[in-house]
Amino acid sequence: EVLLVESGGGLVQPGGSLRLSCAASGFTFSDHYIDWVRQAPGKGLEWIGRIKSGASSYTTEYAASVEGRFTMSRDDSKNSLYLQMNSLKTEDTALYYCTRVDFWSGAIDFWGQGTLVTVSS
Amino acid sequence: DIQMTQSPASLSASVGDSVTITCRASQGIAHYLAWYQQKPGKVPNLLIYGGSILQSGVPSRFSGSGYGTDFTLTISSLQPEDVATYYCQKYNRAAFTFGPGTKVEIK
Repeated sequence: EVLLVESGGGLVQPGGSLRLSCAASGFTFSDHYIDWVRQAPGKGLEWIGRIKSGASSYTTEYAASVEGRFTMSRDDSKNSLYLQMNSLKTEDTALYYCTRVDFWSGAIDFWGQGTLVTVSS
Repeated sequence: DIQMTQSPASLSASVGDSVTITCRASQGIAHYLAWYQQKPGKVPNLLIYGGSILQSGVPSRFSGSGYGTDFTLTISSLQPEDVATYYCQKYNRAAFTFGPGTKVEIK
């Protein structure tokens, strides 16, 4: 069974930092690209970043809204993914999902349950 | 960046009705379009990829069509369990933008 379990969310002040983690199991983690998607309370889905596999040099891509503030990394030996979030803004408040990109279709085929990040003073 | 729009923003239909949601990309994206269903309080679920390919396990009443800039998701016979918000997403290249969503309710 494919599982993606996010952790690390919480309350942080504007300008602060937070590091999210995603633990993967049930599939060959190292083969897959992983995306982070967030959803502000009562709002739609927003793609925020991708980290590719080692075969693609662990290339990262980011949405303009987080470029320069957020950094994705992964440790394939631990089947884990990380999202370092700096210079947080109130508009970063959202449920953050770790998602798996299907190797063949290119679409997101599995989602974690999400971890809530609240940026507020 | 390519922008994604969806219409309508919401709709209400009766059980058994055929429902169509439209997604439009501001530039051509070939067939790189996915549809997701998000039921209230739940995680999104992939319905269709490649514009028209049904994901394994998804009921056959869901279908997708389109290429380039204009795509549609059709539910051929709306069921109570289809109450959800539906999102399209482009995935040809970054940014992998989602549409704003279409909320489907039962009349």
